Amino acid sequence: AQTVTQSQPEMSVQEAETVTLSCTYDTSESDYYLFWYKQPPSRQMILVIRQEAYKQQNATENRFSVNFQKAAKSFSLKISDSQLGDAAMYFCAYRSPGGARQLTFGSGTQLTVLP
Amino acid sequence: DTGVSQNPRHKITKRGQNVTFRCDPISEHNRLYWYRQTLGQGPEFLTYFQNEAQLEKSRLLSDRFSAERPKGSFSTLEIQRTEQGDSAMYLCASSLASVAGDRTDTQYFGPGTRLTVL
Repeated sequence: AQTVTQSQPEMSVQEAETVTLSCTYDTSESDYYLFWYKQPPSRQMILVIRQEAYKQQNATENRFSVNFQKAAKSFSLKISDSQLGDAAMYFCAYRSPGGARQLTFGSGTQLTVLP
Repeated sequence: DTGVSQNPRHKITKRGQNVTFRCDPISEHNRLYWYRQTLGQGPEFLTYFQNEAQLEKSRLLSDRFSAERPKGSFSTLEIQRTEQGDSAMYLCASSLASVAGDRTDTQYFGPGTRLTVL
């Protein structure tokens, strides 16, 4: 079974600075999908960014980008120019291709943004 | 596009009672998922529907849990004879099977139903 590990339970960053959240996963598959979700205190899970494993190029969405290292099975999230609204729990998630549609989540990283 | 909605948002019940939650997915989405999330943890998969067919069930989904999606639109999750260990946030998500140029089948989540079993 696939597992997703987020080794940083808590992180903090100064407003306007850059922070990187780490995620590693274990899989024997060659094609799969990776996601970062954000869950603010209101608890609605929001998609931040997604990556298809077969694509070499790292995904980017405005201030959010990933560093996808397929051989190392690493999928880190970089947040640039951090804003107070970025404060949330961030979850890394993995999905297999084909029939298994469920997401496997990591345990999350609580990000605090300091003014 | 109003997003995924869930009702009720909060439910407090006594041990042994039955509870039912409802999820309304994004209107054109044909896939619907239920997850359970306990405090400080990531969501755990419970079950998944494609249209009205329930295609996958987790081992977490004991016999006391049942889910339906009768017309391939909204879904209900019922827990019978609730136990204190059932206290959690129950999240619903939906996705569209095929989007041109996108194979990720991205899931979009609702706000969740928080269940407290006394």
